Amino acid sequence: ELKVEQNPLFLSMQEGKNYTIYCNYSTTSDRLYWYRQDPGKSLESLFVLLSNGAVKQEGRLMASLDTKARLSTLHITAAVHDLSATYFCAVDKKAAGNKLTFGGGTRVLVKP
Amino acid sequence: EAQVTQNPRYLITVTGKKLTVTCSQNMNHEYMSWYRQDPGLGLRQIYYSMNVEVTDKGDVPEGYKVSRKEKRNFPLILESPSPNQTSLYFCASSFWNSYEQYFGPGTRLTVT
Repeated sequence: ELKVEQNPLFLSMQEGKNYTIYCNYSTTSDRLYWYRQDPGKSLESLFVLLSNGAVKQEGRLMASLDTKARLSTLHITAAVHDLSATYFCAVDKKAAGNKLTFGGGTRVLVKP
Repeated sequence: EAQVTQNPRYLITVTGKKLTVTCSQNMNHEYMSWYRQDPGLGLRQIYYSMNVEVTDKGDVPEGYKVSRKEKRNFPLILESPSPNQTSLYFCASSFWNSYEQYFGPGTRLTVT
């Protein structure tokens, strides 16, 4: 059974500092996703990582994938208040179609 | 505008009173699915559909039904809701095996 674990579950950040969220998954998967969710809102797609060593960056966020370690990281550089949200990673397997298996989420709060 | 819509967005009901949450997409997607979101558990798939009249169980199907009579619509039916079905529900759609999934705005359901 495919399981996805994120840590930490909660991250209190100071503005201007760097932080990392970790996402581990239990079995081989084909694609890894990072989503952002603001309170009361739907999921916003941030990144899709398709292969080992993939790295994607958008603004202060950078995601990477190590398929051998079954690990993805979401790195936040110089945190700002606007990044306060809950972040989810998810994986899927092409053989299982479009089903996404999600981690439990990391709630991020950036304090001034 | 490409979108997934859900109705209602908020619903408070009582145990045992049948309800339906509608989901509609305007992108001609084959694949549609329902997820529920609970704190600390991320999103878990309830049911999915690969095309009209083709549906199957996800990870947490107990207490739910679905139907797919038209390509654009995928309603979620709770025949006899119970308090443990209090949750935030998301509908999603995509082309088959595409990594680009579109999520609806969510339906917050409370069962008392």
